[in-house]
Amino acid sequence: DAKTTQPTSMDCAEGRAANLPCNHSTISGNEYVYWYRQIHSQGPQYIIHGLKNNETNEMASLIITEDRKSSTLILPHATLRDTAVYYCIVANAGNMLTFGGGTRLMVKP
Amino acid sequence: GAGVSQTPSNKVTEKGKYVELRCDPISGHTALYWYRQSLGQGPEFLIYFQGTGAADDSGLPNDRFFAVRPEGSVSTLKIQRTERGDSAVYLCASSPLAGGGNEQFFGPGTRLTVL
Repeated sequence: DAKTTQPTSMDCAEGRAANLPCNHSTISGNEYVYWYRQIHSQGPQYIIHGLKNNETNEMASLIITEDRKSSTLILPHATLRDTAVYYCIVANAGNMLTFGGGTRLMVKP
Repeated sequence: GAGVSQTPSNKVTEKGKYVELRCDPISGHTALYWYRQSLGQGPEFLIYFQGTGAADDSGLPNDRFFAVRPEGSVSTLKIQRTERGDSAVYLCASSPLAGGGNEQFFGPGTRLTVL
């Protein structure tokens, strides 16, 4: 599986957009980009995924560059409850997820 | 609706003992995954089932670990001769189908402590 690179930590002000970057320069053509988050002491929670096109759902937007070598997860209006570790994962057809270190997002009032 | 459930939520055992961890996936999900998460790290893949069969067990650390899913629904992760290094949170996830494009839904995990 391709590996991902994310910043270790980020801060965001409550009510502002949180933009979390991810590099996946070795992604292959059949691999999807997934984002999960994990709030302390809970199991990971699925956020969004995409293959080539940008995606949006009720939780977030996913912007994937045209060359697919990087992506950005956007939480449009961050709240205190969005404080979590955010994992960017690229997954093959078997869908086994390989978690890296993630980005620890701290939303501050 | 009901999500993935795992029992027990906490398990404390002594070194050398045998433990079983149970996962009840979302009804109708054919793919089931086991991961484990050590303190301060991301989850690590252990094994996944497509139906009753283990499609990929490459993440199992050694032969003390094995898992079953006899009827294609509930799965049990079994650890023999537990060691202190086995202490971790064991996570289960299920998915409608294995394959790219299908998200995994995780349970709350079982926290295993080996004394």
